[in-house]
Amino acid sequence: EPEVTQTPSHQVTQMGQEVILRCVPISNHLYFYWYRQILGQKVEFLVSFYNNEISEKSEIFDDQFSVERPDGSNFTLKIRSTKLEDSAMYFCASRDNTGDTQYFGPGTRLTVL
Amino acid sequence: AQSVTQPDIHITVSEGASLELRCNYSYGATPYLFWYVQSPGQGLQLLLKYFSGDTLVQGIKGFEAEFKRSQSSFNLRKPSVHWSDAAEYFCAVGAAGSNYQLIWGAGTKLIIKP
Repeated sequence: EPEVTQTPSHQVTQMGQEVILRCVPISNHLYFYWYRQILGQKVEFLVSFYNNEISEKSEIFDDQFSVERPDGSNFTLKIRSTKLEDSAMYFCASRDNTGDTQYFGPGTRLTVL
Repeated sequence: AQSVTQPDIHITVSEGASLELRCNYSYGATPYLFWYVQSPGQGLQLLLKYFSGDTLVQGIKGFEAEFKRSQSSFNLRKPSVHWSDAAEYFCAVGAAGSNYQLIWGAGTKLIIKP
């Protein structure tokens, strides 16, 4: 069964460093999402992406964040200058253009020191 | 404002006992409702969803949920839990008009007693 994959599973970085979180969505899906979950808190929507552009973003998704689909398979989330409060589990999800269900990857745990 | 409430942070049940996890939502339009499960170290797996039609929906792993519009609830049930059901369960609401962006509850951690 096709699935969403994410790399790395765990990333540790120093405050102020740039990180890139990678996702490979399900191959025939056209809508892509990033969510995050700070430890002990709710899952929060960050951004959705369709047709090579952001379709919607939350207040969390400020200028420090960017997303990109650099090729036909990867979907990345970049944080330019990480802060301590960016420490969280980041989930990628994808959806096809006929369905209504988002399929999630296993997440990347980002730890900012 | 749109929100999802899962009032129980933890629930402990004995193996073989029945289970009900509560979910209440606040949403102006007709909601699309989901239950996801997250096992330790795993991603979020869809258990079931409700969009329209029959208000009792069946999902994977023997779970079901009932949509009650009058109570703004979408509670998850299972008649007999197994030790492998120990996980965290998340209720979420979305709507097509919002690009299916999901709004999540805080989750309920299910602990199974042998």
